[in-house]
Amino acid sequence: GNSVTQMEGPVTLSEEAFLTINCTYTATGYPSLFWYVQYPGEGLQLLLKATKADDKGSNKGFEATYRKETTSFHLEKGSVQVSDSAVYFCALIMQGGSEKLVFGKGMKLTVNP
Amino acid sequence: GAGVSQTPSNKVTEKGKYVELRCDPISGHTALYWYRQSLGQGPEFLIYFQGTGAADDSGLPNDRFFAVRPEGSVSTLKIQRTERGDSAVYLCASSLKGVLGTDTQYFGPGTRLTVL
Repeated sequence: GNSVTQMEGPVTLSEEAFLTINCTYTATGYPSLFWYVQYPGEGLQLLLKATKADDKGSNKGFEATYRKETTSFHLEKGSVQVSDSAVYFCALIMQGGSEKLVFGKGMKLTVNP
Repeated sequence: GAGVSQTPSNKVTEKGKYVELRCDPISGHTALYWYRQSLGQGPEFLIYFQGTGAADDSGLPNDRFFAVRPEGSVSTLKIQRTERGDSAVYLCASSLKGVLGTDTQYFGPGTRLTVL
């Protein structure tokens, strides 16, 4: 079936450090790819998305590029802030199929000042 | 309202009881989704509505779980004969059209269900 694998945490970084969160997917068709974020005490919210190969999603200094050849959608940020502390989820939806999101397990990031 | 709302925010019940969880989607969104999130895990899909009808209910774990959306807006997730293993955060999301796999799903704050 369709699935998402993302690197497991928790991860602790210092402010201004570089962040990469790896995400790879397995899909029988053509997926759209998403990163969702859950800040402490808040609900899930979309961080960025990409719907076709080589598209780059970006938001709040975060970027991720849809790589079909490596079935990956790694999340990067050049300089993290304390306010980026959250749980990050990679997810996919199969285009042309059911509209259900398939999530990875999530990775908790803590950024220290 | 501006976002997806869910009530109650917390529900504590005893094993064997019946519970209902409510979701109010963003106005005008035709697609509505229910997910369940256990501690330390990503959300897992339960059911998806397109308008009033359930377009995909393949994620419902068994026949104790049922969901309705009679007027194509508010939805209720119903759980009969609750078990301790049903304890989780139940998330609702909505999207504008819910087609082509490209719509953004907007999530509510969730209902934390605890079965004692």
